[in-house]
Amino acid sequence: GDSVTQMEGPVTLSEEAFLTINCTYTATGYPSLFWYVQYPGEGLQLLLKATKADDKGSNKGFEATYRKETTSFHLEKGSVQVSDSAVYFCALKETGANSKLTFGKGITLSVRP
Amino acid sequence: KAGVTQTPRYLIKTRGQQVTLSCSPISGHRSVSWYQQTPGQGLQFLFEYFSETQRNKGNFPGRFSGRQFSNSRSEMNVSTLELGDSALYLCASSLLQGGSDTQYFGPGTRLTVL
Repeated sequence: GDSVTQMEGPVTLSEEAFLTINCTYTATGYPSLFWYVQYPGEGLQLLLKATKADDKGSNKGFEATYRKETTSFHLEKGSVQVSDSAVYFCALKETGANSKLTFGKGITLSVRP
Repeated sequence: KAGVTQTPRYLIKTRGQQVTLSCSPISGHRSVSWYQQTPGQGLQFLFEYFSETQRNKGNFPGRFSGRQFSNSRSEMNVSTLELGDSALYLCASSLLQGGSDTQYFGPGTRLTVL
């Protein structure tokens, strides 16, 4: 079945540091890929998405490129801020009439001033 | 446009009771999905409704059920509550079903079973 693997956390960075959060996936078809972010006490917010190979999703300084050859969708940001502290989830959705999202375990990011 | 709303935000129940959670999707959205979030299992898909029909179901026991109304609002019900049902229950809505359509999540209902 489908699965998403995220790097182990938590991750602690200083403000303005470079961020990479690894995400790899296993899927039978050609899924769409997503990064969601969850702030304390809140639901999930879509951060970015990519729907086909080589697509790059970007939002709020975050970027991720859909790499079919390595089945990866790593999240990057050049300079993190304290306000980026949250839990980040990588997710996939198979094509077709199915809205089910398969999530990774999530990773907690803490950014120190 | 208002986002996905879920009520109540917090619930405390005791074992053996049943509970009903409500979700109002974004206006115009016809697909509603439910997820359970726990520290141990992470985010797990419960079921999806589209045009009042359950279209997809995750690996949860029959104690978990749901429905969708003609205005796309959805409810989920958990009967005979167990301690392990304590979780954050998230509802998500999307305009269409499937494809690359984005799902938008509500703030969740935090259920505690004592």
